[in-house]
Amino acid sequence: EIQLQESGPGLVKPSQSLSLTCSVTGYTITSGYDWSWIRKFPGNKMEWMGYISYSGSTNYNPSLKSRISITRDTSKNQFFLQLNSVTTEDTATYYCARFITTWGQGVMVTVSS
Amino acid sequence: DIQMTQSPSFLSASVGDRVTINCKASQNINRYLNWYQQKLGEAPKLLIYNANSLQTGIPSRFSGSGSGTDFTLTISSLQPEDVATYFCLQHNSWPRTFGGGTKLELK
Repeated sequence: EIQLQESGPGLVKPSQSLSLTCSVTGYTITSGYDWSWIRKFPGNKMEWMGYISYSGSTNYNPSLKSRISITRDTSKNQFFLQLNSVTTEDTATYYCARFITTWGQGVMVTVSS
Repeated sequence: DIQMTQSPSFLSASVGDRVTINCKASQNINRYLNWYQQKLGEAPKLLIYNANSLQTGIPSRFSGSGSGTDFTLTISSLQPEDVATYFCLQHNSWPRTFGGGTKLELK
């Protein structure tokens, strides 16, 4: 059974970079699908941030294109989110997901000084 | 971006009630609409994919319908374990976009 688990700092200062890791078990990320980051803001609005495909290509939400990077470490079966120049508006729960089917439990990140 | 308008945002119903939740897309998304359930502290769970296909392991009281711009999630007989937030997702075009969510509570 596939499982995804997000990890990373729960608090980031404004103007710094947010970095999160998604660790995948039960499926090899190079075998298929795209591997996404999604976030849920306070108040429940959700945003699909972007994905890295099984082949390594990426696709980002245009609203974030200048600030986001999704990469992977195939040897560890992990993929990563980096979001630069964060503001308080990036405070959210961040989820990783396989395609549009299976999600992790999420990690809450607060941007505050 | 395609805007997804979900209604209602809050719903209170009794055990055994038939419950319907709607999502309306700002343009044609064919049948590329998924429904998810999220309970507090848990990962979102896929219920319905491609508008009307029941995900494996999901009880048959959940069903989906619609195509084009108008979609409905129906719970035929509400159970206590169905208390959750439900949301829709369109995956017809990039970026994928979500409805605003429906919080379902027991009356």
